[in-house]
Amino acid sequence: AQSVTQLGSHVSVSEGALVLLRCNYSSSVPPYLFWYVQYPNQGLQLLLKYTSAATLVKGINGFEAEFKKSETSFHLTKPSAHMSDAAEYFCAVSDRYTGNQFYFGTGTSLTVIP
Amino acid sequence: EAGVAQSPRYKIIEKRQSVAFWCNPISGHATLYWYQQILGQGPKLLIQFQNNGVVDDSQLPKDRFSAERLKGVDSTLKIQPAKLEDSAVYLCASSLEGSGALTYEQYFGPGTRLTVT
Repeated sequence: AQSVTQLGSHVSVSEGALVLLRCNYSSSVPPYLFWYVQYPNQGLQLLLKYTSAATLVKGINGFEAEFKKSETSFHLTKPSAHMSDAAEYFCAVSDRYTGNQFYFGTGTSLTVIP
Repeated sequence: EAGVAQSPRYKIIEKRQSVAFWCNPISGHATLYWYQQILGQGPKLLIQFQNNGVVDDSQLPKDRFSAERLKGVDSTLKIQPAKLEDSAVYLCASSLEGSGALTYEQYFGPGTRLTVT
């Protein structure tokens, strides 16, 4: 069975500071992993995905994530936070062998302090 | 390309009433998903279609929820009768899986926010 744990439901950073959002997964098969961002009253937008190619994945808006099999982690980072990064972030693992179902974490709300 | 379209964006109903949501996926996407997102939680899959067939509806409360995708394109999700705990955002997503392409991405619509009073 697949599951995702996002540590920290709320994260606050100062503008210009490093953003680190944590995601750990549990999967019985080699996983595909995703980070989505959700702005208020909007749907989910894909930031980046890991599908068993390079373990360091670069996404949109300056975000990147590293797949670490030994730690079962896929943490999201950005070197310098912008005010526009304030949003809800969701990590998801895909069950690609049974129809590409996604299992989402509970989300992390990012606040950027000016 | 046009994204996933959903309507209505907001709906307020009283408990025991019925409600229906509509979704039009991205053109050419064979797979369509309906998710329920309760406030403070991640989206939870309700049902997955590939073309007009159901792939997984194991988490759909079938005593009150139903969904269809008759022509393999747009889809309708219905709740009858609604309960207070059905208050949530209902998200529709689509993907190319089943169309001969493997992108592993799901594209989400803006969602329908349902409030049951």
